[in-house]
Amino acid sequence: GENVEQHPSTLSVQEGDSAVIKCTYSDSASNYFPWYKQELGKRPQLIIDIRSNVGEKKDQRIAVTLNKTAKHFSLHITETQPEDSAVYFCAASILGSDNDMRFGAGTRLTVKP
Amino acid sequence: SQTIHQWPATLVQPVGSPLSLECTVEGTSNPNLYWYRQAAGRGLQLLFYSVGIGQISSEVPQNLSASRPQDRQFILSSKKLLLSDSGFYLCAWSRDRLYGYTFGSGTRLTVV
Repeated sequence: GENVEQHPSTLSVQEGDSAVIKCTYSDSASNYFPWYKQELGKRPQLIIDIRSNVGEKKDQRIAVTLNKTAKHFSLHITETQPEDSAVYFCAASILGSDNDMRFGAGTRLTVKP
Repeated sequence: SQTIHQWPATLVQPVGSPLSLECTVEGTSNPNLYWYRQAAGRGLQLLFYSVGIGQISSEVPQNLSASRPQDRQFILSSKKLLLSDSGFYLCAWSRDRLYGYTFGSGTRLTVV
C-alpha cells in the first residue's frame, strides 16, 4: 500500500521567511496530493491540493510542487506570518480507487515574530 | 452546502467503560466516511472507513469498532476502553474519493 513520509517534523522560521515542507510517496499510481493545516486543538483543513497532471499550483502565498518521477511533492509558504504556525499534513491517494488517503506524520511549523 | 458534525467535543472516561462517538454529515448523500485517531503530537491514523450503509473496513486491529446505521451517520464504539485509547478522534467525509477530506471538529478523549 501507499506510504507517505514527511520532513521535517518540526520547522521554525522567522516571520517573512519562506518555509518548505517535503513529502515522498511510494505508490506511483497515486495521483492526488492534498495538504492540510491543523491549528492547535482544531480539525485539519484542506489548504491546497494538486493532481498528477499538474507540476505546480499556487494560491497566494502557498504553492505546491510535484515531481512524479521522483515521487515527491512539497509545500512552499512564502512571506510567512505568525498565523501560519500550525501542523501541516501532506497526503496521497488514488482518485476514484478503493485505496484511502494516506497522511504524512505532520510538520509543526512555528513562525516567530 | 455540506457540513459534518461530530460530538461530543471532549470526553473523560474511566478504563473499562464503553464509548460511543457519533458523526453525521449533512447536505450530501452516500459520502465516504472515515474515523481517524491522532495521538498527542502525532499524525493521523486511519481507524475505519465506510463506503456505504453497513460497510465498514478496519485498518488496524484494536478494541474499537465502527458502525454505519444510516447513510450519513458514522459511529465509533468500544465496549471497554483502554488507557491507550486516549487521543483526538476525527471523523471525516469525502465525495466519491475524488476530493480531499473534510474533517469534523474532533473529540478529545481522555481515558483515566
